[in-house]
Amino acid sequence: KNEVEQSPQNLTAQEGEFITINCSYSVGISALHWLQQHPGGGIVSLFMLSSGKKKHGRLIATINIQEKHSSLHITASHPRDSAVYICAVRPGGNAGGTSYGKLTFGQGTILTVHP
Amino acid sequence: DAGVTQSPTHLIKTRGQQVTLRCSPISGHKSVSWYQQVLGQGPQFIFQYYEKEERGRGNFPDRFSARQFPNYSSELNVNALLLGDSALYLCASSLYPGQGGVVSPLHFGNGTRLTVT
Repeated sequence: KNEVEQSPQNLTAQEGEFITINCSYSVGISALHWLQQHPGGGIVSLFMLSSGKKKHGRLIATINIQEKHSSLHITASHPRDSAVYICAVRPGGNAGGTSYGKLTFGQGTILTVHP
Repeated sequence: DAGVTQSPTHLIKTRGQQVTLRCSPISGHKSVSWYQQVLGQGPQFIFQYYEKEERGRGNFPDRFSARQFPNYSSELNVNALLLGDSALYLCASSLYPGQGGVVSPLHFGNGTRLTVT
């Protein structure tokens, strides 16, 4: 079982729909990142969370540390939101040795928003 | 300010050859991390460098090595290339390395796409 699991793997939506992508992890973390990757490879960091909720425009990210779960929501989705969304976690505060600074990624969720 | 820059953008090599990939972090960022992303999968952590020292290593063979220079730029070297090394290699920089609960946002470059034939 992967340390970071995302669902769904593929998501198709119509423009305007509310979208939720989920991320579950099995290790203690110091932070969780939500990333967006467009065709061609470039990755943009959307959010970095260690607790609670963050909002930026139409994007909302939440995290529940006790349940080891995070969600990324997109309100009023648009075709330009089509991309791969990746959840990545940093190990907990006392992680050392070979895990120092390691970021573990989920497999990504491919989102396609149709006009 | 310029973002994280990686060079080259694309590279084609033959099995057995060696390759060097380069990364320049955002000005002021002292932490550089390298990741390998095989087509259709999420990235895998290779190395992290902070203040010119290796601070983390992923599960990659010794054919992979890296270093960080006094100006905090970094190089990733891969020797004796295999077909399976074909991937997008991503570099990310941050202000802090992420230990002890002190984290800072990551900034990624656009990657170097390596094809091994």
